[in-house]
Amino acid sequence: NAGVTQTPKFQVLKTGQSMTLQCAQDMNHEYMSWYRQDPGMGLRLIHYSVGAGITDQGEVPNGYNVSRSTTEDFPLRLLSAAPSQTSVYFCASSPSPPTGYRNTIYFGEGSWLTVV
Amino acid sequence: KQEVTQIPAALSVPEGENLVLNCSFTDSAIYNLQWFRQDPGKGLTSLLLIQSSQREQTSGRLNASLDKSSGRSTLYIAASQPGDSATYLCAVIGTASKLTFGTGTRLQVTL
Repeated sequence: NAGVTQTPKFQVLKTGQSMTLQCAQDMNHEYMSWYRQDPGMGLRLIHYSVGAGITDQGEVPNGYNVSRSTTEDFPLRLLSAAPSQTSVYFCASSPSPPTGYRNTIYFGEGSWLTVV
Repeated sequence: KQEVTQIPAALSVPEGENLVLNCSFTDSAIYNLQWFRQDPGKGLTSLLLIQSSQREQTSGRLNASLDKSSGRSTLYIAASQPGDSATYLCAVIGTASKLTFGTGTRLQVTL
């Protein structure tokens, strides 16, 4: 009963390096999203996808890319890491967009990223 | 732009006490509101989901209410236990399926 799985859990990057945070869900959910959580700012939406092949920008998309080639996977790519991207990243999924009736959102356990 | 505020930011209560966490939002045009629990080093767990047409939802010792017109929601926890210690977040879902989160209330229940 995996739910939403994120890897890696911890990562340290040097400024300018690129990396991919992996997210996979086994619930056949159409809607997936990425958030970052920073102290005093709550969770902010980076990118989201309403289904395979469809992605869109959230509140803070700059410096990040996403793709959705399968229903299960929604990787987040940092193109050229900057210290401002030091944060905790959460992947989430739900059966349909969050406006859906009785639509519960499931979160992964987070990826702690430090950019030095 | 939707803004969500949670008061208080931190709360410490003795075991057994009933308590209320508050969430307020600036734009009443929401689809639903969810309350989440976050344990240290962990992701978020959904506790209660209230549709915009509903006034409240209950799950065990938890009761969440929603007053759209005043832009407020409350999470009531009855007979608090040390295992309830966590950060509680509310999130409102508005247009374009976007969630706006509050910054949370950190709850500690002491023995």
